[in-house]
Amino acid sequence: EVQLLESGGGLVQPGGSLRLSCAASGFTFSSFAMTWVRQAPGKGLEWVSGISGSGASTYYADSVKGRFTISRDNSKNTLYLQMSSLRAEDTAVYYCAKTHYNWNDAGDCWGQGTLVTVSS
Amino acid sequence: SYEMTQPPSVSVSPGQTASISCSGDKLRNKNTCWYQQKPGQSPVLVIYEDNKRPSGIPERFSGSNSGNTATLTISGTQAMDEADYYCQAWDSSTGVFGTGTKVTVL
Repeated sequence: EVQLLESGGGLVQPGGSLRLSCAASGFTFSSFAMTWVRQAPGKGLEWVSGISGSGASTYYADSVKGRFTISRDNSKNTLYLQMSSLRAEDTAVYYCAKTHYNWNDAGDCWGQGTLVTVSS
Repeated sequence: SYEMTQPPSVSVSPGQTASISCSGDKLRNKNTCWYQQKPGQSPVLVIYEDNKRPSGIPERFSGSNSGNTATLTISGTQAMDEADYYCQAWDSSTGVFGTGTKVTVL
């Protein structure tokens, strides 16, 4: 059974940093691209970032480019999102999702999400 | 940046057909998918590659994509289908979600 477990969320001050992790199990992690998607309270889904199975290719939404970095450790079956220069508008539940194969494929399995709150 | 627009809400009676549109420029040329999200839960993929159903998704869910509009159709809608639905596509190396539609089963 495919499982994704996010961690690392919490309360952080504006301008601060946070690293999210997503532990994957139940599939050959290195064979699939992964994505991060966020959802602000009461709002819709927003695509944040994607990464290829090897980690060689990364993609970002304009809203986070230059502030967030996606990476993965295939030896640990773990996906990461390093977030810096955080703003109030980054407050959201952050989901990791396994894609069907490529970075621009549908997310066929999602984690439960981790809440990031940016506030002073 | 690319945008996709969905109606904010759709109401349907049990057993009837619900159609949810997703409009975007030349959307027909893009790979689209659809997600269902119930309150307090993570999204679930219900349609991928315009019209394919993942394993475990009921046959009453179907999708199409033509011109500037992708459509998710729920035939024989059940009370359990009440949820928010989002379309997704990809453009210029970024993913894009539609604005979301709340489906109410009256």
